[in-house]
Amino acid sequence: SAVISQKPSRDICQRGTSLTIQCQVDSQVTMMFWYRQQPGQSLTLIATANQGSEATYESGFVIDKFPISRPNLTFSTLTVSNMSPEDSSIYLCSVAALRMEAQYFGPGTRLTVT
Amino acid sequence: AQTVTQSQPEMSVQEAETVTLSCTYDTSESDYYLFWYKQPPSRQMILVIRQEAYKQQNATENRFSVNFQKAAKSFSLKISDSQLGDAAMYFCAYRSAEVGSGGSNYKLTFGKGTLLTVNP
Repeated sequence: SAVISQKPSRDICQRGTSLTIQCQVDSQVTMMFWYRQQPGQSLTLIATANQGSEATYESGFVIDKFPISRPNLTFSTLTVSNMSPEDSSIYLCSVAALRMEAQYFGPGTRLTVT
Repeated sequence: AQTVTQSQPEMSVQEAETVTLSCTYDTSESDYYLFWYKQPPSRQMILVIRQEAYKQQNATENRFSVNFQKAAKSFSLKISDSQLGDAAMYFCAYRSAEVGSGGSNYKLTFGKGTLLTVNP
């Protein structure tokens, strides 16, 4: 497994602003993923972040709204841009490596947009 | 596309008793992985157990075991000797075993979850 940290753990933001969430893992991993969990809902994949290439976004998510960086094998950021109350969710990063069957999750960032 | 269905939004169990959570899935692939994750109120997603589709033997992790029925596309989780700390939302998840480009096939598809309450 891997130890994953996220910053911030929670935040309350104003409508129209942006927030960048950081994800740090204690070992080099091949893939990092960003999920959104809306209140009372399951997890939905936003995008897959690979080092040295653009993130791969799932249907319904776009780079302008959720830009992602992956500068190295242990770190990634997700920005939630031009926020609206509908963006209020828990955002989780997860990691996986080749020959690693499971994904391991960070503690999540609880975002509230007012 | 793969889908994962958890038909029990909520379940409850008495402490020290056994409970089974249901999960079914739909896929056209022959090789894949299935997982159960637990999410307590702290919101941390914790891997409980995993199963590889090509393995006949059901996975077991201490008090947690699965009943994997590949032909029926069923993957239930049994929790024995339930403890208060088992109270959480439980999610069933599917992952393809094929290595796609850019890691796209490593993504997890989750069910909607089952909220487990453990009564003292």
